[in-house]
Amino acid sequence: DVKVTQSSRYLVKRTGEKVFLECVQDMDHENMFWYRQDPGLGLRLIYFSYDVKMKEKGDIPEGYSVSREKKERFSLILESASTNQTSMYLCASNRPGTGSRNTEAFFGQGTRLTVV
Amino acid sequence: DAKTTQPTSMDCAEGRAANLPCNHSTISGNEYVYWYRQIHSQGPQYIIHGLKNNETNEMASLIITEDRKSSTLILPHATLRDTAVYYCIVREPGSARQLTFGSGTQLTVLP
Repeated sequence: DVKVTQSSRYLVKRTGEKVFLECVQDMDHENMFWYRQDPGLGLRLIYFSYDVKMKEKGDIPEGYSVSREKKERFSLILESASTNQTSMYLCASNRPGTGSRNTEAFFGQGTRLTVV
Repeated sequence: DAKTTQPTSMDCAEGRAANLPCNHSTISGNEYVYWYRQIHSQGPQYIIHGLKNNETNEMASLIITEDRKSSTLILPHATLRDTAVYYCIVREPGSARQLTFGSGTQLTVLP
C-alpha cells in the first residue's frame, strides 16, 4: 500500500522555537509538496520540490523553509515559530509525466501544529 | 491550472447516489479533471480522474460533459463514511506545479 508518512500527528511548540516537520514517501515520487490548511482558507501551498535539492516557493512561503536532501524525504522548517503558524500541515507527493497514469497525488495524514 | 466552481455543501440520504457537480469552463485541452476528498482531520484522498471520457473505479464514477466545461462525481450508494469535503481540480497530469484546491463541497450523508 502506497504511503506518505508525516512524523507527527500532533505537535505543540513554543513561540520562537525552530520546528521541523518531516515527510517521507515510499513511492519513489519526484514531486513533493507542503501545504497548510486553515478553516475557511482551504489548502494553501507553502513550498514544493520537483527533485532532490530543488525547491520552489508556493503561495505562502514566508516564515518557512524546506529541505530535500533525499528523494523520499521532504522537510518543512519553521525558523522561529509564531502563533499565526498554528495550523494543520499536509505533505503530498506525486509522479511527473506527460500522461495521466499514476500521476495522482497522495497525502499524508497531516500534522496539527499548535504554537503557544 | 484552470479554476473550478463547486457548491459549498450538499446532503444525501444513505444508500442513495450522491451527485457532486463541478464547473471548469476555462479548462484547457491538456488538463485533466481530478477529484479528491478529505474526511475530517485526515489528509485528502485521491478518488478518480479523467480527460474527456467517463471513468469508473471502485470508489466512484466521473461524468465529463462533451464540451469539458463541467463534470459530475457520482458516489453510487453513499454511506455515512462518505461524509467529507470533495474537491474538484483541473490540471496537467504529473505537473510539478502545485495542486490548487478550492474550497470544495461539504457532502453530508444522512442516515
